[in-house]
Amino acid sequence: ETGVTQTPRHLVMGMTNKKSLKCEQHLGHNAMYWYKQSAKKPLELMFVYSLEERVENNSVPSRFSPECPNSSHLFLHLHTLQPEDSALYLCASSQDRAGRNTIYFGEGSWLTVV
Amino acid sequence: AQKVTQAQTEISVVEKEDVTLDCVYETRDTTYYLFWYKQPPSGELVFLIRRNSFDEQNEISGRYSWNFQKSTSSFNFTITASQVVDSAVYFCALSEANSGGSNYKLTFGKGTLLTVNP
Repeated sequence: ETGVTQTPRHLVMGMTNKKSLKCEQHLGHNAMYWYKQSAKKPLELMFVYSLEERVENNSVPSRFSPECPNSSHLFLHLHTLQPEDSALYLCASSQDRAGRNTIYFGEGSWLTVV
Repeated sequence: AQKVTQAQTEISVVEKEDVTLDCVYETRDTTYYLFWYKQPPSGELVFLIRRNSFDEQNEISGRYSWNFQKSTSSFNFTITASQVVDSAVYFCALSEANSGGSNYKLTFGKGTLLTVNP
């Protein structure tokens, strides 16, 4: 059983749709992350939240909008996406943002934009 | 700048063979952490091991073993008597030890796809 759960696992959406990815961590961690994994590309860090405050945004287009209502939940709101945004979106968490801490990942949400 | 290189893009072995996945890293920090993750076809990144830069002892966990050598900046991963269930993409990753701000960064290699055939 994973300590980080993501829903939905699979999502197909049109370019004009609005949808959200949800992540919940049950590990009592204070930091949460969104990563993007495209085919044949390295994992890309999108957003970092620490104690519900966004501390990093790696030049992600505004069509991706994160939300962290509390330290256990993280959302990624999606709107007017492009086909090239199709990818595996991974949520993760860690005790805090110190480099010594292990980041634990969820199972990912497979997103297809048509 | 941090960098992680996994030169082996794909490896294919037959069940029960031993296989070693290579990882070479670059960092200017004296304190850093190295990680290995496994990603099966389902997508989840499964944490396997964390090693800090001051601990060069090799580690064994069942059929898995890790060889950390600072002299060659390598952190290689060996699976003994491989099984079909070991088929996955394996990622090596590096992070700095300092906390806070924009200094924190976990850098992943591009991954090695391991296929274990029956």
